[in-house]
Amino acid sequence: DAGVTQSPTHLIKTRGQQVTLRCSPKSGHDTVSWYQQALGQGPQFIFQYYEEEERQRGNFPDRFSGHQFPNYSSELNVNALLLGDSALYLCASSFVEGMNSPLHFGNGTRLTVT
Amino acid sequence: AQSVTQPDIHITVSEGASLELRCNYSYGATPYLFWYVQSPGQGLQLLLKYFSGDTLVQGIKGFEAEFKRSQSSFNLRKPSVHWSDAAEYFCAVGAVTGGGNKLTFGTGTQLKVEL
Repeated sequence: DAGVTQSPTHLIKTRGQQVTLRCSPKSGHDTVSWYQQALGQGPQFIFQYYEEEERQRGNFPDRFSGHQFPNYSSELNVNALLLGDSALYLCASSFVEGMNSPLHFGNGTRLTVT
Repeated sequence: AQSVTQPDIHITVSEGASLELRCNYSYGATPYLFWYVQSPGQGLQLLLKYFSGDTLVQGIKGFEAEFKRSQSSFNLRKPSVHWSDAAEYFCAVGAVTGGGNKLTFGTGTQLKVEL
């Protein structure tokens, strides 16, 4: 049973560019959340998708956007990259059962903005 | 808004010694509380969770945590640490709003195990 898979594992971009990160949820999960983990910090919630719609959003600018596909996989897009966007981006999946369905995390995509 | 404080940035223990990692939370209602562990280059693995009921919860890898409402704490413990426990540990509080769920994490505690 495959867990949460993310691609690519590492990415280097230049300021001002755009990036797309991808996530496939754990088998049977229908909800995908994205978190940003800066170096030395805990993960911070970006947004959550269910039924192809954004259900919740954290304190991130509109440069951060996402999408969920009918097969429950998801993409995170970041436009106009800033140096401060360098971080580990974690995808997590769950059932839409609230907190009774703990989040399962992927290994993340390490984004470096130069 | 919910928040989590992990007062200890780094902790070093000897293998075989006991461990306690501190976590304090702020949340207006009954909290959903979690401990996750992260090894270098890896994602987060759930160690244990507290939703309600018994305040002492058991997790994987021999970890346990105790919920103390009066102290707003959810400390993680292990009686005897193994070298493989060296990792970063995150405490998190969960909120269910708007039909979704999100976690607010602390800044983490880096555990080093001396052989």
